[in-house]
Amino acid sequence: GAGVSQSPRYKVTKRGQDVALRCDPISGHVSLYWYRQALGQGPEFLTYFNYEAQQDKSGLPNDRFSAERPEGSISTLTIQRTEQRDSAMYRCASSLSTGGLETQYFGPGTRLLVL
Amino acid sequence: QKEVEQNSGPLSVPEGAIASLNCTYSDRGSQSFFWYRQYSGKSPELIMSIYSNGDKEDGRFTAQLNKASQYVSLLIRDSQPSDSATYLCAVIVSGSGDKLTFGTGTRLAVRP
Repeated sequence: GAGVSQSPRYKVTKRGQDVALRCDPISGHVSLYWYRQALGQGPEFLTYFNYEAQQDKSGLPNDRFSAERPEGSISTLTIQRTEQRDSAMYRCASSLSTGGLETQYFGPGTRLLVL
Repeated sequence: QKEVEQNSGPLSVPEGAIASLNCTYSDRGSQSFFWYRQYSGKSPELIMSIYSNGDKEDGRFTAQLNKASQYVSLLIRDSQPSDSATYLCAVIVSGSGDKLTFGTGTRLAVRP
C-alpha cells in the first residue's frame, strides 16, 4: 500500500512569501504529526492531530506557523511571511492510532528553502 | 540538558562486529522508546521499539532499556555495510501525547 506522501518535495520561495506544505497520510491512520528536521539534527516536533482535532501545537515556533486537517485525512502546514530561518526539511508522519505505542511512519519530507 | 542525548559519532566498526549505540534521556516520565534508522537523504524508519525494562531482540537488533539509569541502547550484531546510517533515539513522555522527542542521532559506519 501507499505510504505517507508529501508535496511539494522541494519548495524554493522568497522571504516574505507564504507557503503551504501538504501531507497525505497512510489511509486509515488516525494520527498525523508534523516535524521539522535541520541538517545533522533529529526531527523536532511541531504539531499533531487525532482525526481532525489538533491535539498539540506546542512545537510551532511562532504564530506564522499553522496547520489544519479539516476532514481528518490530508493536512496542510502553512508558513506565512517566510523567513530564511524557516529553511529546513519538513516531515510528516502518521500512525494507526493514538496511545504512544503505534509506529509513526514518516513521509519523504518537503525541503523548504527561503531565499 | 537536552531531553534526549546521543553521541553524534561517527561510530566506525568493521563488518561482522557488534555496533553499540547509546542514548540517555532526562524525563523520568518517558514511557516509550524507539530507535529509528535514517539513511542519508531519506526519511527515518522505525527499527525497534521498547516499553519495559530489559532486552528486546529482533533479528540482528537488540534494544536494551534501563529506566532507573534513564538509558536505552541498541546493539547491532554481525554489522553489515548496509547498516551504515544515522540512528535516532526517540522517546514519548507520559502525558505529552504521542509526540516523539528525538536525539541528534549517531552516525554509524560499517567498514567492509
